[in-house]
Amino acid sequence: NAGVMQNPRHLVRRRGQEARLRCSPVKGHSHVYWYRQLPEEGLKFMVYLQKENIIDESGMPKERFSAEFPKEGPSILRIQQVVRGDSAAYFCASSPGQGAGGNTIYFGEGSWLTVV
Amino acid sequence: SQKIEQNSEALNIQEGKTATLTCNYTNYSPAYLQWYRQDPGRGPVFLLLIRENEKEKRKERLKVTFDTTLKQSLFHITASQPADSATYLCALEDSGYSTLTFGKGTMLLVSP
Repeated sequence: NAGVMQNPRHLVRRRGQEARLRCSPVKGHSHVYWYRQLPEEGLKFMVYLQKENIIDESGMPKERFSAEFPKEGPSILRIQQVVRGDSAAYFCASSPGQGAGGNTIYFGEGSWLTVV
Repeated sequence: SQKIEQNSEALNIQEGKTATLTCNYTNYSPAYLQWYRQDPGRGPVFLLLIRENEKEKRKERLKVTFDTTLKQSLFHITASQPADSATYLCALEDSGYSTLTFGKGTMLLVSP
């Protein structure tokens, strides 16, 4: 987990509010991934970004969810109008190159979202 | 549909024994298979990666095998210690693709 910083670590939101999760990758890494882990479920891929580009968002719900990785600053996962089903742990990961082949992927400690 | 299966029941073993965890997959042709460790409330930590053309990989007390015919990987921890108690995740990556598909993980409990 060296170097991938996520915040906040824990976040409580009421239904209908917005949640913003931030991720700073390992220094020098330009590839960022977001995964979601629901209770009793495995990690599910959401989105893959490179600086200023969304490469693959096939795992993102079509509505209410968005992600960005600007030229400067952290990657942001934004969830609008949260519902109870959004309660989960959201993990960010980074790698120096594309994919896992030959590149170790580093995960952050996660942001644990609770919707009340 | 693609499926990755890991034993859902926790594996309980005694300290000093070898722990063996299983990862089976269907409808998948992964180029790489990885194993991660996850402790409660923490993020996954990378342990080992094995390529489709490799049969076995070792790192200290860890050993991974990869059988693409059986579509199975075995993960071994020799001389297990209580500190090895955690959930172990299997993850697959397609060739030319960059994202991982994870199994639900198997919890390992090593008692002294």
